[in-house]
Amino acid sequence: DQQVKQNSPSLSVQEGRISILNCDYTNSMFDYFLWYKKYPAEGPTFLISISSIKDKNEDGRFTVFLNKSAKHLSLHIVPSQPGDSAVYFCAARRDNQGGKLIFGQGTELSVKP
Amino acid sequence: NAGVTQTPKFQVLKTGQSMTLQCAQDMNHEYMSWYRQDPGMGLRLIHYSVGAGITDQGEVPNGYNVSRSTTEDFPLRLLSAAPSQTSVYFCASKRGQINYGYTFGSGTRLTIV
Repeated sequence: DQQVKQNSPSLSVQEGRISILNCDYTNSMFDYFLWYKKYPAEGPTFLISISSIKDKNEDGRFTVFLNKSAKHLSLHIVPSQPGDSAVYFCAARRDNQGGKLIFGQGTELSVKP
Repeated sequence: NAGVTQTPKFQVLKTGQSMTLQCAQDMNHEYMSWYRQDPGMGLRLIHYSVGAGITDQGEVPNGYNVSRSTTEDFPLRLLSAAPSQTSVYFCASKRGQINYGYTFGSGTRLTIV
């Protein structure tokens, strides 16, 4: 029972264009969502997050959008840079289970010069 | 300030052997978790802890034991290794309910032959 799903295993984008990574979830009790970035042979690093009471959060080139009715969130990277090439994981948690963070399968982003 | 330290980085075990993956953090974080990463499966939560003496099961706890006797350490034990436990294991920690993400270690690549 995959509660957090990233249905696109990979995405290829030209440098300077927008990258859009998508994530769907099934548990309506999730109240906080996070995106992580992972390079090969390293641990994931926290990128950006959003509370369920908001529909958008922006941090520099990264923006996360949340559509609660559709149980869908997306990460926009504008403009994309070759250094953004990595695996991106979406994650979610419930408020009363703050220690329990559930991840999706990941999407491998390749930004080509 | 070393962050989250995992040892060993690589290990090969024979089926049926036991071993402990070590995880230590020096940030005085209350929450700690263990994840495994497998191709196409993303990061799956094995066990987590919200403080010393408190542990709980994640999505895939079978075959693994944990304990949390101190705030700093959260070892993961494989009692009888199986080939299905071949994976990359990540330990992570964070400060309580603060809404930023977990800090991850660099991982342990474990192969069961």
